[in-house]
Amino acid sequence: QKEVEQDPGPLSVPEGAIVSLNCTYSNSAFQYFMWYRQYSRKGPELLMYTYSSGNKEDGRFTAQVDKSSKYISLFIRDSQPSDSATYLCAMSAAGGYNKLIFGAGTRLAVHP
Amino acid sequence: DGGITQSPKYLFRKEGQNVTLSCEQNLNHDAMYWYRQDPGQGLRLIYYSQIVNDFQKGDIAEGYSVSREKKESFPLTVTSAQKNPTAFYLCATSYTFGSGTRLTVV
Repeated sequence: QKEVEQDPGPLSVPEGAIVSLNCTYSNSAFQYFMWYRQYSRKGPELLMYTYSSGNKEDGRFTAQVDKSSKYISLFIRDSQPSDSATYLCAMSAAGGYNKLIFGAGTRLAVHP
Repeated sequence: DGGITQSPKYLFRKEGQNVTLSCEQNLNHDAMYWYRQDPGQGLRLIYYSQIVNDFQKGDIAEGYSVSREKKESFPLTVTSAQKNPTAFYLCATSYTFGSGTRLTVV
């Protein structure tokens, strides 16, 4: 079993839809949770960073962490064609250097 | 303009050849990382360095080597011992990534 599971998609939605992206994990030591957006042939770009459980909102993006269920989510409101990309979840345990464990990434396509 | 510069963007390697991927940062970050990305597998850690003149193996270090002689630079060498080197290679500091190098064996 992988430490971090993420449905690879692809996920296709119409413009304006609410998108829900999810990851589950098995290591209860994870305390730092991140979402990255990666356009084709580019490096990942940090979208959201959350520590421990709870919600965090930034514009159209909301990240949720439920440590009791070992489940994290990223919601995108009013999705735009420019949101079409691969979304990677990543997480790390507290202390030491930031060794990130990544999910496989979900490919999202937002069509006009 | 702070960031991470990876070069070249595309690299072709012949069988049995060593190649070196460059990674330079001007963010003044101590830690630097190399990841490999394959389709459908996410990113896997190859090597990391927390300080100059020190580095540690990641999860898939076999067939790779690194050096950290300067804080700003963390080059990765893909040796002939790496039997399946075709992949997208990403350098990072903390949570910031470079734009990647796509290596192909020809």
